[in-house]
Order: sequence, then structure tokens, then C-alpha cells
Amino acid sequence: AQSVAQPEDQVNVAEGNPLTVKCTYSVSGNPYLFWYVQYPNRGLQFLLKYITGDNLVKGSYGFEAEFNKSQTSFHLKKPSALVSDSALYFCAVRVIGQGGKLIFGQGTELSVKP
Amino acid sequence: DSGVTQTPKHLITATGQRVTLRCSPRSGDLSVYWYQQSLDQGLQFLIQYYNGEERAKGNILERFSAQQFPDLHSELNLSSLELGDSALYFCASSVGDRGLGANVLTFGAGSRLTVL
Repeated sequence: AQSVAQPEDQVNVAEGNPLTVKCTYSVSGNPYLFWYVQYPNRGLQFLLKYITGDNLVKGSYGFEAEFNKSQTSFHLKKPSALVSDSALYFCAVRVIGQGGKLIFGQGTELSVKP
Repeated sequence: DSGVTQTPKHLITATGQRVTLRCSPRSGDLSVYWYQQSLDQGLQFLIQYYNGEERAKGNILERFSAQQFPDLHSELNLSSLELGDSALYFCASSVGDRGLGANVLTFGAGSRLTVL
């Protein structure tokens, strides 16, 4: 079965410091991986995706993610965190052969303090 | 505004009742997905439709049903409601149901259901 895991429920970072939100995956075949962000009382917003190609994927709002096949990881990163980055972040994997549905991780609450 | 419209935004009802949640996908999107978000279960995939046909089914209870209409809007029907059905229900849409067209899901703002 295909799945993703986000090992940290919460990540705390000081503004201006780099941030990393971790994600590991388990898939059969090539993974299609995604990051979404959810602000309070809002729907999920797409940040970036990895389908194929370069292992470093750049997305919205200065975020990027590094795909590592040997470690089956797809960590979300940002060089300099902003207070406005505080939100709930979800990693997701697309289930091949079952339409376009995404399987989401449990989410990681990112808190950026001034 | 993501382009995916969900109504109602909030709904409070009693156990045993039935409710209908509505979703209008983004213009041009043919595929609709329903997800349930709760504190203990996280984001759970319920069901997907593509151009009126069911494409994939997830952890959807038998008390729940959905359909996609010819104008591509979708409805999620929840019946015999229980306290545990209280959750945020999201609809998402994508251009296709496979290949590149399915790769980005656009989510609505959700419908918050409270069962008392």
C-alpha cells in the first residue's frame, strides 16, 4: 500500500532561520509526491510537486523540497522562515492506478516565532 | 479564491439526521474528490468522480453517498449522522483523473459539519 509519513507533529522555528518539514513515503513504482499547506479555516493550497527530473523542486512562497530516492524522503525546506509561514503542512503521494487521488500524511504544524 | 466552491460553510445538525454537501469544481475541471478531515483521523479520502462516473473509492461509510451531475457539480450525502461524523469535509477538483491532468488538486474551503 502506498503511504506517506510525517514524523513530526509540530516544528518550531525562529523567524529568519531555515526550516525543514519532514516526509517519508512508501510506494510501489515511481512516486508522485506533493506538498500542500493549510492556513486556519482555509482549504489546502498546493505548494509543489515532484513527478520526475531534478531532485530539488521549487514551489510557491519560496518553498522547495528535496526528493531522495535512497532515503524515500521528500522533505520541505525554506532558507529563511517567515511568521506568515505558520500553518499546517501536508505531504501527499498520488496513488497510481486509482484515478488521481492523493493519500495525505497526518500533517505537521509549523510555528514560526518572531 | 481557489475556484472550487463548497456550500454550506458551516452546518450544525442532530444525530440521526441527513445532510447534503455541495461542491462546484473549478471551471474546466472534470474530476471531483471528497475528503474528510478530523483531528483523530487526519485527511481521509472518501470518493472520486470523473465526468459523472465514480473513479475511486476510499474510506467512505455506507451511510455516505455521493454523485457528480452532468453540470459537473457534486454532492456528498451523509445520513444517519453520528457524533463521530463531525468533521471538515473538503472537495477538490482536477482537470483529469489520470496522467498529468490529475496531478494538482485544487481544494475548496470546506464544509464544517457539527453533529450534536
